Amino acid sequence: EPEVTQTPSHQVTQMGQEVILRCVPISNHLYFYWYRQILGQKVEFLVSFYNNEISEKSEIFDDQFSVERPDGSNFTLKIRSTKLEDSAMYFCASNRVFYEQYFGPGTRLTVT
Amino acid sequence: AQKVTQAQTEISVVEKEDVTLDCVYETRDTTYYLFWYKQPPSGELVFLIRRNSFDEQNEISGRYSWNFQKSTSSFNFTITASQVVDSAVYFCALHQGETSGSRLTFGEGTQLTVNP
Repeated sequence: EPEVTQTPSHQVTQMGQEVILRCVPISNHLYFYWYRQILGQKVEFLVSFYNNEISEKSEIFDDQFSVERPDGSNFTLKIRSTKLEDSAMYFCASNRVFYEQYFGPGTRLTVT
Repeated sequence: AQKVTQAQTEISVVEKEDVTLDCVYETRDTTYYLFWYKQPPSGELVFLIRRNSFDEQNEISGRYSWNFQKSTSSFNFTITASQVVDSAVYFCALHQGETSGSRLTFGEGTQLTVNP
């Protein structure tokens, strides 16, 4: 069964550094998403991406964040200058039209 | 604006008990989709069910059942004869409107612990 994959599973970085989180969505899916979950809290939407552009973004997704689909398979989330409060689990998800979003296993980002 | 409320933060039951997880949603749209996801201790989010706003039929899948009531804006989830492996955080989520790429709005989640 196809799955969304994410790398790395855990990333530790120092405050102020740039990080890139990588995702490979399910191959026939059209819509791609990033969510985050601060430890012990609910899952929060960051951004959705369709047809090579952002279709929706939340208030959390400020200028420090960017997304890209550099090739036909990868979908990346970049945080330019990480802050302590960016520490969270970041989930990538994908879906087809009107179908449930399938989530990857997540990348745990720790900012020290 | 859309909102999902899961009032039960934590529930603890003994194996074989039935347990119901509550979910109440708010939306102004007439077309929307409701979901339940399971997050086991390993941390991944596992899709359980999707319901659209035009289909109020209840659904049963093995030990799982879902009760969707538009009149009370609720989409409750019942596990029958719970097992230790059901221990997880369960999230209810709402997708609003007819645009496929729209966000999911999650509730706060309910931590279910099933004790042997």
